[in-house]
Amino acid sequence: SAVISQKPSRDICQRGTSLTIQCQVDSQVTMMFWYRQQPGQSLTLIATANQGSEATYESGFVIDKFPISRPNLTFSTLTVSNMSPEDSSIYLCSVEVGAGYGYTFGSGTRLTVV
Amino acid sequence: AQSVTQLGSHVSVSEGALVLLRCNYSSSVPPYLFWYVQYPNQGLQLLLKYTSAATLVKGINGFEAEFKKSETSFHLTKPSAHMSDAAEYFCAVATPGGYNKLIFGAGTRLAVHP
Repeated sequence: SAVISQKPSRDICQRGTSLTIQCQVDSQVTMMFWYRQQPGQSLTLIATANQGSEATYESGFVIDKFPISRPNLTFSTLTVSNMSPEDSSIYLCSVEVGAGYGYTFGSGTRLTVV
Repeated sequence: AQSVTQLGSHVSVSEGALVLLRCNYSSSVPPYLFWYVQYPNQGLQLLLKYTSAATLVKGINGFEAEFKKSETSFHLTKPSAHMSDAAEYFCAVATPGGYNKLIFGAGTRLAVHP
């Protein structure tokens, strides 16, 4: 299975600022997925990132707030823009390495907005 | 649209007792199903997966799950709970065919008492 390096692992940010989270995979993957896990909650998919095209966002998430880059088949970034305390969550990237092989997750970025 | 329902947000068992965590899914096509575990302040770890092979799936740490199409269920079991099993467990569903998003249930927090 793929190994994902995600950074930063945690950060404390001031409201109104932006944070970019990086996700590096040790193999080429077609799709990368970004999730948010709010405190005490389950994982909610933010968007799906395909190399060479714009990300596809889920209902309730918009590109202006969560811009995503996917410059190649092993890397993606998620930016949380104009942050507010409500954005305090764990953000995780994920990939599926081949159909049916399961989904691997990064270790997550624990974001606190103050 | 696919969805997952986990019955019971909190389950408490005694050490050595049977663990049963319930998951029901909704899908218009035969799904792929997964169970993940999240230990406190850690990332997600895949416990097991069903991808249309054997309906009884064995995973890590002594867990197993049975896919029952007639009941649209994929319950997770372990014959004898260990203190180290205390964690949050997530059931998730995906559409077969590769590179499709994973949809999570709300999660079940398992507590194990001595």
